Amino acid sequence: GQSLEQPSEVTAVEGAIVQINCTYQTSGFYGLSWYQQHDGGAPTFLSYNALDGLEETGRFSSFLSRSDSYGYLLLQELQMKDSASYFCAVQPSGNTPLVFGKGTRLSVIA
Amino acid sequence: GAVVSQHPSWVICKSGTSVKIECRSLDFQATTMFWYRQFPKQSLMLMATSNEGSKATYEQGVEKDKFLINHASLTLSTLTVTSAHPEDSSFYICSARDLSADGETQYFGPGTRLLVL
Repeated sequence: GQSLEQPSEVTAVEGAIVQINCTYQTSGFYGLSWYQQHDGGAPTFLSYNALDGLEETGRFSSFLSRSDSYGYLLLQELQMKDSASYFCAVQPSGNTPLVFGKGTRLSVIA
Repeated sequence: GAVVSQHPSWVICKSGTSVKIECRSLDFQATTMFWYRQFPKQSLMLMATSNEGSKATYEQGVEKDKFLINHASLTLSTLTVTSAHPEDSSFYICSARDLSADGETQYFGPGTRLLVL
């Protein structure tokens, strides 16, 4: 079976840094992706990690440790517009569809 | 990045009618597309994998006769919800990968919100 665990809710202050963790147990592993979804919208791609280490894209960074089946999304200099749901997703193999975690609802407060 | 479109974005229909949702890859060819469903405040659940020129692969618990998928070309997949009922009301999202590019990123359409009265 496939399972991904991430916190259901996180609250952080504007300007701060927040880390959203994701642990996974899947039958195979090809890569870990992160998606952002605002209320009423579709998921938008944030990052992808296939190898161990940190990937940085502007204010967002994503980390992967394959040996620990663990990854995280780091959001820096939080802005109010970052309030959204964040999903980690695993691609078990080749051209297989993503398997999603249940999502973390991030609320950024002033 | 690659662009995936969906039409319509909103559908309100009466119980018992059928609704067709189109998913198009606008600037790339997609031999495989994926259909997800999302209920409020829940995660995306994969319904089926749509394969161009062949039958779709359905996930366990998804009725293939109720959710008809046709992938007639390399840029178009359609999902038809047959004899829709209120419990089918949901957010339906398609996605695809651009295998000619990185092949790793799964791009999502904007989604179709279905409300069955």
